[in-house]
Amino acid sequence: QKEVEQDPGPLSVPEGAIVSLNCTYSNSAFQYFMWYRQYSRKGPELLMYTYSSGNKEDGRFTAQVDKSSKYISLFIRDSQPSDSATYLCALNQGGKLIFGQGTELSVKP
Amino acid sequence: EAGVVQSPRYKIIEKKQPVAFWCNPISGHNTLYWYRQNLGQGPELLIRYENEEAVDDSQLPKDRFSAERLKGVDSTLKIQPAELGDSAVYLCASSSRRSSSTDTQYFGPGTRLTVL
Repeated sequence: QKEVEQDPGPLSVPEGAIVSLNCTYSNSAFQYFMWYRQYSRKGPELLMYTYSSGNKEDGRFTAQVDKSSKYISLFIRDSQPSDSATYLCALNQGGKLIFGQGTELSVKP
Repeated sequence: EAGVVQSPRYKIIEKKQPVAFWCNPISGHNTLYWYRQNLGQGPELLIRYENEEAVDDSQLPKDRFSAERLKGVDSTLKIQPAELGDSAVYLCASSSRRSSSTDTQYFGPGTRLTVL
């Protein structure tokens, strides 16, 4: 079993839709959770970061962590074509990032 | 502030040939990481440096891979000899603090390696 599982998609939605991206993890010792966005032919860039259960909001993006279920989510409201990218969840273990497989998202105008 | 710089951006080689990748981290960043990203997968850590010391190289295939970070700044990752399965994107990242769980890792654009 992989430490972090993520549905690879691809996921295609119309512009303006609400997008939900999810990951599950197996090690309850993880405490720091991140979402990275990776555009084609680019390196990943940090989108959001959280270390506790609950929600964290940043503009159109909301990160949600449920430690009891070992489940993390990223919601994108009013999705835009510029949001088209691969979204990677990552868990930080003492400075080492454990990434999910990534979900490829396409937002159609 | 300049980001993480990597070169070359693309490299195509024949199997059994050697290849090297270079990384220049963000100025002042003490921690440097090399990741490998296979097609359709998330990045996987190969090696982590704190200044010039390799503090985590447990995932580095040491029979053919080597890395160095002279003077605690630039780093080079080498493969010799390359195999078909080494085709991937090699990403370099850096962060400012020592292996902190809360520190942001900044990634370079990667080197896309194709082994024929």
